[in-house]
Amino acid sequence: GIQVEQSPPDLILQEGANSTLRCNFSDSVNNLQWFHQNPWGQLINLFYIPSGTKQNGRLSATTVATERYSLLYISSSQTTDSGVYFCAVDNYGQNFVFGPGTRLSVLP
Amino acid sequence: SAVISQKPSRDICQRGTSLTIQCQVDSQVTMMFWYRQQPGQSLTLIATANQGSEATYESGFVIDKFPISRPNLTFSTLTVSNMSPEDSSIYLCSVEDRATQAFFGQGTRLTVV
Repeated sequence: GIQVEQSPPDLILQEGANSTLRCNFSDSVNNLQWFHQNPWGQLINLFYIPSGTKQNGRLSATTVATERYSLLYISSSQTTDSGVYFCAVDNYGQNFVFGPGTRLSVLP
Repeated sequence: SAVISQKPSRDICQRGTSLTIQCQVDSQVTMMFWYRQQPGQSLTLIATANQGSEATYESGFVIDKFPISRPNLTFSTLTVSNMSPEDSSIYLCSVEDRATQAFFGQGTRLTVV
């Protein structure tokens, strides 16, 4: 099946810093989503982005489907951005495959 | 988008007992998905639940351990049977909209003692 990798596995930032999270996948996809899992375990949809670029406030994402990667940008990070960021892909199947996640800690 | 209500949000259970987790969606959906997230790990799909048919289980998961019900197009339950400490995880239900965008319930944090 499709393989999903995320980097870096862990990231520590000072409040106000910018960061880039990466997701690589091993096959073509018809769906890609970024999620933020908060400290209480809830998964929050950030972006539905099988291709192209989207922005939502301080967050933006770019997926280059032909090169099989996606990037999540976080600008002016805040302590509330802390948590785990997951990339999940669907390669024309009926379910998502999740990457291992990037654990982000934003320090005040 | 879909709004998913999952309960309980957390529970502490004795080994050997069973827990049933409920998932309610605010709209009719064809498929509902159940995931497990072990401590510090990513999400793993347990099974896909279709209304009117038996659930389809992923490799490593069996119906006797994780029976699923899907009585209608807005509701599903997952039971974790004969629990052991290794079953301590977050369990999440999920649905997809017409654009195949996935939405998740708030999760059930299970601790088995």
